[in-house]
Amino acid sequence: EDQVTQSPEALRLQEGESSSLNCSYTVSGLRGLFWYRQDPGKGPEFLFTLYSAGEEKEKERLKATLTKKESFLHITAPKPEDSATYLCAVQARETSGSRLTFGEGTQLTVNP
Amino acid sequence: DTEVTQTPKHLVMGMTNKKSLKCEQHMGHRAMYWYKQKAKKPPELMFVYSYEKLSINESVPSRFSPECPNSSLLNLHLHALQPEDSALYLCASSQPTGKPPSSYNEQFFGPGTRLTVL
Repeated sequence: EDQVTQSPEALRLQEGESSSLNCSYTVSGLRGLFWYRQDPGKGPEFLFTLYSAGEEKEKERLKATLTKKESFLHITAPKPEDSATYLCAVQARETSGSRLTFGEGTQLTVNP
Repeated sequence: DTEVTQTPKHLVMGMTNKKSLKCEQHMGHRAMYWYKQKAKKPPELMFVYSYEKLSINESVPSRFSPECPNSSLLNLHLHALQPEDSALYLCASSQPTGKPPSSYNEQFFGPGTRLTVL
C-alpha cells in the first residue's frame, strides 16, 4: 500500500529563518510526487511536480528536491505570507494513474 | 489559465434537502475529480471522471451522486445528507499525459464549497 508521511506536523519560523519540510514515501513505482500549498478554507494550490530522484524545482523562496525515499521542500528566508499548510502527494505507476496518496501535511507559521 | 471554479462557495442544507455543487474548468483537461476534506486532514478522493466517464468511485454513499455533462463541467448532487457530511468539497482537474493510457499530470484544485448539513 502506498504511504506518505510528512514531518514535522507543525513548524513555526521567524521571518527570514530558512528551514525544510520533509515528505517520506513508500510507493510501488513512483510516477510523480506533487507539492501543494493550502490556505485555510481554500483549495490546494499546485506548487511542483517531481518525477525522478535527483530532480529539483524552484519557485521564488521554495525549492523542492527528490530522492528515492523522500522529498524536501526548502523554504529560504520565509515571509509571513508563506504561512500555510503544505501537502505532499504521490502518484504510483501501478495504480490508476489519476489517484493521489496525500500526506497529512505540515502547517507552517512564519512570524514577522 | 489554471483556474477551476466552484459554486456555491458556501452551502447550508437540511438533511431532507436536495442540492447540487458545480465545478467548471476551461483548461481542456479530460479528468475531473471530487474530493471531500475535513478540518486538519488531507483531501479524500470521492469520484474521478475520465473522458466524461466515471472511472473511480471510492465507495461513496449513494446520497452523493456525481454527473459530468461535458468535458468542462462536473456536478455533485446531494440528497438526504447527514451532519457528518459537513466538509469542504473540492473539485480538481488534470490532463492525461498521453504516455501510459491511465497516466495523468498534476491536478489543479478549485477553491471549494464549504458545506454545512444541519
